[in-house]
Amino acid sequence: SYVLTQSSSVSVAPGRTARITCGGNKIGDKTVNWFQQKPGQAPVLVVYDETDRPSGIPERFSGSNSGNTATLAISRVEVGDEADYYCQVWDSSSDEWVFGGGTKLTVL
Amino acid sequence: QVQLVQSGPEVRTPGASVKVSCKTSGYSFTKYGISWVRQAPGQGLEWMGWISGDSGNIEYARRFQGRVTMTTDTSTNTVYMELRSLKSDDMATYYCARASGFDLWGRGTRVTVSS
Repeated sequence: SYVLTQSSSVSVAPGRTARITCGGNKIGDKTVNWFQQKPGQAPVLVVYDETDRPSGIPERFSGSNSGNTATLAISRVEVGDEADYYCQVWDSSSDEWVFGGGTKLTVL
Repeated sequence: QVQLVQSGPEVRTPGASVKVSCKTSGYSFTKYGISWVRQAPGQGLEWMGWISGDSGNIEYARRFQGRVTMTTDTSTNTVYMELRSLKSDDMATYYCARASGFDLWGRGTRVTVSS
């Protein structure tokens, strides 16, 4: 089955840009979604179809995808952005949705 | 108001079954399917499967096939997920999410499996 690899944690200072990566074999050929999950809460979709944002999600959140790596970038990071972030793709070989293991974003 | 409201926490013994509900409101029930995603304590997200609003399409993740059943009740706009033969590692929070890009989630249902 398809595997998505995320680093376990990323730290960034307020006001800087955080980049959270998601690795997978030829992930650039797939469409990636990104979710934010704060402690004790359900996940929230922050980027879909690689680069689009649902209504209500700040423009500070953006996505890109090429080759074997997809990236979620969060510019002008705020303390309120501290959360776990998950990438997700549809694996057509198994007909299943696959999530990455998640990355904990810490705002120093 | 567009929302998914899930049933309350459950406690089961190993070998038992649990049935979790997800009541939808604020949108056309048959237009969107529902996916189920679970999260063990301190762990990541795991997709279990999905069911279309009219029950015409159902897909289960391979690791749950034979142990999970998803159903709908169009009279109450509710989706159900039943998991059988529970084991200790089934202890998790179970979420329903609208299948249109997972843009809407329930708050989760905690299932405890303990003897």
